Amino acid sequence: DADVTQTPRNRITKTGKRIMLECSQTKGHDRMYWYRQDPGLGLRLIYYSFDVKDINKGEISDGYSVSRQAQAKFSLSLESAIPNQTALYFCATSDFRQGAVAQYFGPGTRLTVL
Amino acid sequence: RKEVEQDPGPFNVPEGATVAFNCTYSNSASQSFFWYRQDCRKEPKLLMSVYSSGNEDGRFTAQLNRASQYISLLIRDSKLSDSATYLCVVNPPSGYSTLTFGKGTMLLVSP
Repeated sequence: DADVTQTPRNRITKTGKRIMLECSQTKGHDRMYWYRQDPGLGLRLIYYSFDVKDINKGEISDGYSVSRQAQAKFSLSLESAIPNQTALYFCATSDFRQGAVAQYFGPGTRLTVL
Repeated sequence: RKEVEQDPGPFNVPEGATVAFNCTYSNSASQSFFWYRQDCRKEPKLLMSVYSSGNEDGRFTAQLNRASQYISLLIRDSKLSDSATYLCVVNPPSGYSTLTFGKGTMLLVSP
């Protein structure tokens, strides 16, 4: 079984709809991250969380919100989706308690906003 | 200067060739360095960490040059399965575990 899972894997929605992307991990890591990837732009950090009570904005947080429901779960919401939010979204985790900064990624969610 | 810069490629090489990629980073106080591999439309996967003394993992060798602020990845005896995009990744000295990703270098290995 995958250590980091994301649901849904693919989603097509319409402009203005609310969308939630979910991420779960069984790695026991304390830190979780949401990225989006667009062709030619690379990976960009949306939000990150160091523990359940800690949420931080990344470089492109406008239009997004997150919730860290438990150590193992971190969800990303688009309150009112717009077409330029069409992208590949990745969740990642890291185990900073072990002094490690390397991140491990989920399989991604491909989101299309029409 | 961009935080992490890579030649986007593609690098086209035949099977069995040796190929090297370089990456430069802007923050001289960066603390940790990695190479990730990403297959088309898949998640990035950690390939290897990069240590100051250089390190090797099978056919892959990573080097760090702090004075010149660049990182390299050498792949020997290229396989078809090595075809992917290789991401150079740096941990800036913010005290947090955020990472800065390069846009990647594409490698295409042909028969």
